[in-house]
Amino acid sequence: GQQLNQSPQSMFIQEGEDVSMNCTSSSIFNTWLWYKQEPGEGPVLLIALYKAGELTSNGRLTAQFGITRKDSFLNISASIPSDVGIYFCAGQIAGGTSYGKLTFGQGTILTVHP
Amino acid sequence: KAGVTQTPRYLIKTRGQQVTLSCSPISGHRSVSWYQQTPGQGLQFLFEYFSETQRNKGNFPGRFSGRQFSNSRSEMNVSTLELGDSALYLCASSLGGGPADTQYFGPGTRLTVL
Repeated sequence: GQQLNQSPQSMFIQEGEDVSMNCTSSSIFNTWLWYKQEPGEGPVLLIALYKAGELTSNGRLTAQFGITRKDSFLNISASIPSDVGIYFCAGQIAGGTSYGKLTFGQGTILTVHP
Repeated sequence: KAGVTQTPRYLIKTRGQQVTLSCSPISGHRSVSWYQQTPGQGLQFLFEYFSETQRNKGNFPGRFSGRQFSNSRSEMNVSTLELGDSALYLCASSLGGGPADTQYFGPGTRLTVL
């Protein structure tokens, strides 16, 4: 089945630094999503990407849907302490067997030192 | 608009028991997906319901089942609980469950099996 390889697994950065993480797959996806999860909570949607090559920003966050449809990246600029959490990429394919099914990466644990 | 709600937030059960978890989707959303999150396996898709019908199912044993009601609320049931069923169970709702329909997650139900 589809698998998403997310890297890095963890990052320790200083406040104010930029962060970059990415996801790759051996399969094509029609949708790429980026979520953030904090302890004891469900994933919160950050950015949704629906077209190959699409570049979308949400405040300090920027994400891109790779041209090959097999990868995506997320950048966070000028990190702040509240950026701490686990970031997940997720993809969905089109077709009947894909209804409601997101495939997730393993997550990137982000720690920001003040 | 109210977000996805899940009840209860925490549950403690013993092996062999059964459990029912509830999910209320965002108003107007007709697709509800369920996921299991564990440290070892990450986020894994369980199943998806749309208009009271299960349209998609992940690779979980038959002890895991679900249903959806006419108001789109959904329940999942796990019978004959095993220690390995301890996990955070998340539900997500979307308009139609397709790749163009963004999934929004609830806070999850933390199940502990003793």
